[in-house]
Amino acid sequence: QVHLQQSGPGLVKPSETLSLTCAISGDSVSSNSAAWYWIRQSPSRGLEWLGRTYYRSKWYNQYAVSVMSRITINPDTSKNQFSLQLRSVTPEDTAVYYCVRDASWGLEALDIWGQGTMVTVSS
Amino acid sequence: QSALTQPPSVSGSPGQSVTISCTGTSSDVASYDRVAWFQQSPGTAPKLIIYEVSNRPSGVPNRFSGSKSGNTASLTISGLQAEDEADYYCSSYRRSSTFNVIFGGGTKLAVL
Repeated sequence: QVHLQQSGPGLVKPSETLSLTCAISGDSVSSNSAAWYWIRQSPSRGLEWLGRTYYRSKWYNQYAVSVMSRITINPDTSKNQFSLQLRSVTPEDTAVYYCVRDASWGLEALDIWGQGTMVTVSS
Repeated sequence: QSALTQPPSVSGSPGQSVTISCTGTSSDVASYDRVAWFQQSPGTAPKLIIYEVSNRPSGVPNRFSGSKSGNTASLTISGLQAEDEADYYCSSYRRSSTFNVIFGGGTKLAVL
């Protein structure tokens, strides 16, 4: 059974960096058939795809245009996890952040979600 | 304003059927069978209930069905049960300069 466990702070100051980690059990971040996403949800912006990482003989990262200049997603094969860094945050980045597995490759069947982390951007 | 358009709310009585629409464009719903539906109860993460327009993951009751016509995808829930009361979201791949997944604004289903 696949499980995603998120960790990271729930409060980040404006202009600082939001950092979250998603630990994977029951699957591998290096899987040749899965992709690993970060998605956030807020009342003002709804559900918003932020980016993804996946391995197909080499690592690929893809990011949403809206955050492309501020985001980094990194896989960590030694710990079987992946992380999100969002730099220069503002109150508009306040949201629940989810890590998500797409095991369908090419169908965006986002079948496993982490528990969610409420991140508030405030001084 | 969300990229995919859903009605804010729908309602039905137990045993009835309801349909939730999800309207996109020629760059997403109309051109790709990469539409999914999610169910979300308060305080929980979204749960995948339909993928590839009409496929159900293992464990999802066959009361949930999906379809698509043109630029509109639809989720139908038949034999409504009280436990179906939740928010429902659609998603789709959208063709652009880079990979992109877009979501609807969500529909609150009330089981009266």
